[in-house]
Amino acid sequence: RKEVEQDPGPFNVPEGATVAFNCTYSNSASQSFFWYRQDCRKEPKLLMSVYSSGNEDGRFTAQLNRASQYISLLIRDSKLSDSATYLCVVHGAGNNRKLIWGLGTSLAVNP
Amino acid sequence: EAGVTQFPSHSVIEKGQTVTLRCDPISGHDNLYWYRRVMGKEIKFLLHFVKESKQDESGMPNNRFLAERTGGTYSTLKVQPAELEDSGVYFCASSHLGLAKNIQYFGAGTRLSVL
Repeated sequence: RKEVEQDPGPFNVPEGATVAFNCTYSNSASQSFFWYRQDCRKEPKLLMSVYSSGNEDGRFTAQLNRASQYISLLIRDSKLSDSATYLCVVHGAGNNRKLIWGLGTSLAVNP
Repeated sequence: EAGVTQFPSHSVIEKGQTVTLRCDPISGHDNLYWYRRVMGKEIKFLLHFVKESKQDESGMPNNRFLAERTGGTYSTLKVQPAELEDSGVYFCASSHLGLAKNIQYFGAGTRLSVL
């Protein structure tokens, strides 16, 4: 079983749509969670951290369910510029600072 | 402020040759990480430096890979001799020591092709 699992997609949605990505992780001791965004042939960039209480940043909402070891990202009112790969990332447990990555979910927002 | 920079951006070498990748972290960042993405696979952790010390090298594939960070500033990752399966994108990241959330900032990567 992979440490971080995501549906690879692709997701094809029209502009203005709401789209949700899901992710599960295997290590219950994991403590920090992130969504990164990666454009084609570019480096991954932090989109947002994910907090236990859930958090929102503009059109983006992230949720964490520790009991189910499940992370989600909701994008409202999709823009063409949201087209990218969205990577679910989990911080190693304890003092381990390495990041553990999902395969990524590809999103294409169409006009 | 300059971000994480990596050199070269692309490298094409033949099997058996040696390649050295370089990473310059954000100034003041003591944590430096190397990751690799092989086509069709997840990004995978290779190793972690704290200043000049290797904190965790559990992700290094084998002894053909050697990472150094002399002086605790820039880092190099040498592959010798390169094999076909070493092809991929090598990312470097850095973060500030001590921040609980450990936000890591990534360089643009070095795309390595071994022919």
